[in-house]
Amino acid sequence: DIVMTQSPDSLAVSLGERATIKCKSSQSVLYRSNNKNGLAWYQQKPGQPPKLLIYWASTRESGVPDRFSGSGSETDFTLTISNLQPEDVAVYYCQQHHTSYTFGQGTRLEIK
Amino acid sequence: QVQLVQSGAEVKKPGASVKVSCKTSGYTFTTYYMHWVRQAPGQGLEWMGRLNPDGDTRYAQKFQGRVAVTRDTSTDTLYMELSGLRYDDTAVYYCAREVSTGCGSYAYWGQGTLVTVSS
Repeated sequence: DIVMTQSPDSLAVSLGERATIKCKSSQSVLYRSNNKNGLAWYQQKPGQPPKLLIYWASTRESGVPDRFSGSGSETDFTLTISNLQPEDVAVYYCQQHHTSYTFGQGTRLEIK
Repeated sequence: QVQLVQSGAEVKKPGASVKVSCKTSGYTFTTYYMHWVRQAPGQGLEWMGRLNPDGDTRYAQKFQGRVAVTRDTSTDTLYMELSGLRYDDTAVYYCAREVSTGCGSYAYWGQGTLVTVSS
């Protein structure tokens, strides 16, 4: 199985600042057939199901604020949240779907 | 609008089976891959299995032989049955639909079903 490792496990960022979360896969998740990375980012708040933020590594899901952006390729990916807002407090997960499906362990984001 | 509505919470004894349903609406049920993901209390997300538009299934190796994902196309309902329940199967179980066919990211989720395994 592909192992997804997120860093850090938790972080605290001031309102209005930028939060950066990393995700590293143990193997490449690049689909050679369409040159897209099978990598998604989710936000989960307590008592709620996860919410899709980014898919194909950098495509923002409909309705997601443009403060959220994804980048990276092959094995190294980044979720960036600009201009941090109070409602961004949550746990964030990366997920790969190139070879079966696996999630990272999650990163807890708090306000400093 | 797309909706996934799951059945209610369950309490089961070790060794028993549980079957969770996921009633879908707002789209053509047989067009998309459907998945089951679970989350133990305070833990991360774990993929369990999927059912593709053709009705074929694929399961995580960890659950092979214990899980079955099925569907009823007459009611647009997805099911997940887990047998041989253990205490560490206590979790919230989610159904999820892919954002688009062939993209294994989940744009739509059920509200979750808490399954508690307790003697």
